[in-house]
Amino acid sequence: TQLLEQSPQFLSIQEGENLTVYCNSSSVFSSLQWYRQEPGEGPVLLVTVVTGGEVKKLKRLTFQFGDARKDSSLHITAAQPGDTGLYLCAGLDYGQNFVFGPGTRLSVLP
Amino acid sequence: ETGVTQSPTHLIKTRGQQVTLRCSSQSGHNTVSWYQQALGQGPQFIFQYYREEENGRGNFPPRFSGLQFPNYSSELNVNALELDDSALYLCASRSDRGLNEQYFGPGTRLTVT
Repeated sequence: TQLLEQSPQFLSIQEGENLTVYCNSSSVFSSLQWYRQEPGEGPVLLVTVVTGGEVKKLKRLTFQFGDARKDSSLHITAAQPGDTGLYLCAGLDYGQNFVFGPGTRLSVLP
Repeated sequence: ETGVTQSPTHLIKTRGQQVTLRCSSQSGHNTVSWYQQALGQGPQFIFQYYREEENGRGNFPPRFSGLQFPNYSSELNVNALELDDSALYLCASRSDRGLNEQYFGPGTRLTVT
């Protein structure tokens, strides 16, 4: 069974601070996606990374895929209250099915 | 707005009953996946349909079944409901081309009493 772990599980920071959340697995994935989810809503896709070592930027968010395609990180610069939510990573296995991590719940206080 | 819709939004059922949840995929998407998300957890993969055939299944019992129709809309059926089936049920659609980016619907909140 493939598992994705995410850390930290919870994170509460002040507006303007920087943070990094991690997504780790012992399995190799063909690609990896990051989502943000608000309470009671479906996850919203933020980014897809495909190549080992790939870095993608989305405004203040920087995503990196590990060289071995087993792990990923999400770095947020100057966090804002609007960044509050559940951040989920999901790896696409070679059976073309997605495996989700448990998520990191981020709270950015004004 | 992802173009993926789900119905109903909320549903309350009694233990032992059966339920059918529906999903309309984004236009042009031929793959649909269903997930169960318990409170405070990440989505758990139930199964996936590609061009009307099931082509992947997670660790869920046979009382969870599904269908995908020629227009790529989909259903999730759950028989003999148990209290632990209470969760947010999410469907996600994607194309078999490009980066396999999947787009989620808003979910159906199922409560089993």
